[in-house]
Amino acid sequence: SQELEQSPQSLIVQEGKNLTINCTSSKTLYGLYWYKQKYGEGLIFLMMLQKGGEEKSHEKITAKLDEKKQQSSLHITASQPSHAGIYLCGAGLGNQFYFGTGTSLTVIP
Amino acid sequence: EAGVAQSPRYKIIEKRQSVAFWCNPISGHATLYWYQQILGQGPKLLIQFQNNGVVDDSQLPKDRFSAERLKGVDSTLKIQPAKLEDSAVYLCASSLVGFDYEQYFGPGTRLTVT
Repeated sequence: SQELEQSPQSLIVQEGKNLTINCTSSKTLYGLYWYKQKYGEGLIFLMMLQKGGEEKSHEKITAKLDEKKQQSSLHITASQPSHAGIYLCGAGLGNQFYFGTGTSLTVIP
Repeated sequence: EAGVAQSPRYKIIEKRQSVAFWCNPISGHATLYWYQQILGQGPKLLIQFQNNGVVDDSQLPKDRFSAERLKGVDSTLKIQPAKLEDSAVYLCASSLVGFDYEQYFGPGTRLTVT
């Protein structure tokens, strides 16, 4: 079983549309990271959420952490082709760091 | 600031051969991680070093995989002998200290075992 489950697995959206990606943990979250990966490349850090209820924004990407629900969401407003890639949530759970299953985003111009 | 360096970028070997990957983390980062990413999945942590000591290697298949970080700076990950299921991208990352700081990733090494 996966410690971090993401949904949806993939998304295809028209440029300009909003979208949300969810990440659900099987254990209590004390912090959560969001990364983006383009094919054939390493992961790029987007943002880190450390406290329940925390919300952070960078450009058109907003992420929230709901510790009670053991969930985080990533919201992209007015998507652009540059947002395309694989979005991964990650968290330290015990002695291990886990990544989610990933969400593949395609933005159609 | 220089990022995390990895080499080689690509490697193709036959099963039962051995292979080694090298990683140089960001200067001053105490923690170094090796991940295995199989196509279509999220990265899986294989081993975590703090300086030159192992913090966790519970997911490392120790019968064939080994890793070292002798001087607390760069690191090597070795597979011997390789199996078909080892085909994956091997990612190296580093952070200031542990999970409380963001990890910076290298470009990865794509390994194909035939």
